[in-house]
Amino acid sequence: DTAVSQTPKYLVTQMGNDKSIKCEQNLGHDTMYWYKQDSKKFLKIMFSYNNKELIINETVPNRFSPKSPDKAHLNLHINSLELGDSAVYFCASSQDIGGGKNTGELFFGEGSRLTVL
Amino acid sequence: AQRVTQPEKLLSVFKGAPVELKCNYSYSGSPELFWYVQYSRQRLQLLLRHISRESIKGFTADLNKGETSFHLKKPFAQEEDSAMYYCALSPTGTASKLTFGTGTRLQVTL
Repeated sequence: DTAVSQTPKYLVTQMGNDKSIKCEQNLGHDTMYWYKQDSKKFLKIMFSYNNKELIINETVPNRFSPKSPDKAHLNLHINSLELGDSAVYFCASSQDIGGGKNTGELFFGEGSRLTVL
Repeated sequence: AQRVTQPEKLLSVFKGAPVELKCNYSYSGSPELFWYVQYSRQRLQLLLRHISRESIKGFTADLNKGETSFHLKKPFAQEEDSAMYYCALSPTGTASKLTFGTGTRLQVTL
């Protein structure tokens, strides 16, 4: 009965490779997010999708491309991986309560630790 | 632009001692403030939000607009409180624009 699930949990890869992280939520939420947590535990939003539409795209290199095939899924594809991409990537979701607002509560996945060698 | 500052990376207290995790913010409007917590091997989850004025697991937080602070307090720390705590701000009360602080690790020792 996992609410927000991400795969894989751990990913070790070489510089220059392309990799994807998948995220699925079974909460029926309308909005999904990708956050990046760096080595200093700083948590920063990367993208936000509402009903498959991109609504937030922070200053992220275009090597990062999110894809939302439906509102329950938000995948993150990263091209040409660099050392600085090593981090823990968190997927999250939230529920709309109408009028473009939501409760302010994010439901997070367990995180995917990406290590680029 | 909004900013959230948590000045302490690590806060170590003894069991039974009072706890205060500091959070300051900068935002020109009326924000909503939240505390999120990540226990060891668990997901990051919402602990409390200022608008609810609730006490969760003995923790409370009061929004002080004059000092632009939202410190998290607990009168008597327990071992199970050891975790990473993040303060977060939303300018519109929506999770879509949550800005997190850098987090404070709380360590409760015997």
